[in-house]
Amino acid sequence: DAKTTQPNSMESNEEEPVHLPCNHSTISGTDYIHWYRQLPSQGPEYVIHGLTSNVNNRMASLAIAEDRKSSTLILHRATLRDAAVYYCILSSPRPNAGGTSYGKLTFGQGTILTVHP
Amino acid sequence: NAGVTQTPKFRVLKTGQSMTLLCAQDMNHEYMYWYRQDPGMGLRLIHYSVGEGTTAKGEVPDGYNVSRLKKQNFLLGLESAAPSQTSVYFCASSYLETKFFGPGTRLTVL
Repeated sequence: DAKTTQPNSMESNEEEPVHLPCNHSTISGTDYIHWYRQLPSQGPEYVIHGLTSNVNNRMASLAIAEDRKSSTLILHRATLRDAAVYYCILSSPRPNAGGTSYGKLTFGQGTILTVHP
Repeated sequence: NAGVTQTPKFRVLKTGQSMTLLCAQDMNHEYMYWYRQDPGMGLRLIHYSVGEGTTAKGEVPDGYNVSRLKKQNFLLGLESAAPSQTSVYFCASSYLETKFFGPGTRLTVL
């Protein structure tokens, strides 16, 4: 399975943008890039995912490098509720579902994001 | 819409005891998963299911069994609990690329 590398921890101030990097140099052409986050004592929460193009949703933006060997999760204005562990994960597509990921996500160590008031 | 629910939330077992963790989802998802989370190791996939009546092994299936008799339920069984199975267990279901996780079950095996 292709692996990802993330910094162990990052810090930010409230209401400032946060850029969380992820390296995935062995990504295959069909791997999706997923981001999840986990708040203390809760289950992981979906944040965003993409394949090749940059993606935006109400929670965050995902910037994917042209060679797809790295990506960056962008939180535009960090809040105290964004303090969590952020996981960057690659997922291979299902073999029989037209390219849709079958969701065997392998969670690594993630990045602990601390947000200061 | 409750999403993904897990029962129980906490459990303490003695070595050799058995138990079943229940996961239920009300989103009509085909795919369901069981993960365990241990300090410093992220989440590891135990078993998963691609539909009612089907199951498959994940990364760490030994010591666990699963069943998916109904689409909305995915059961994780421990036949003979061991201290190494002390962990937090998360169930998830997925729609296309998005996974929805339950709140977790904290299991301690003494």
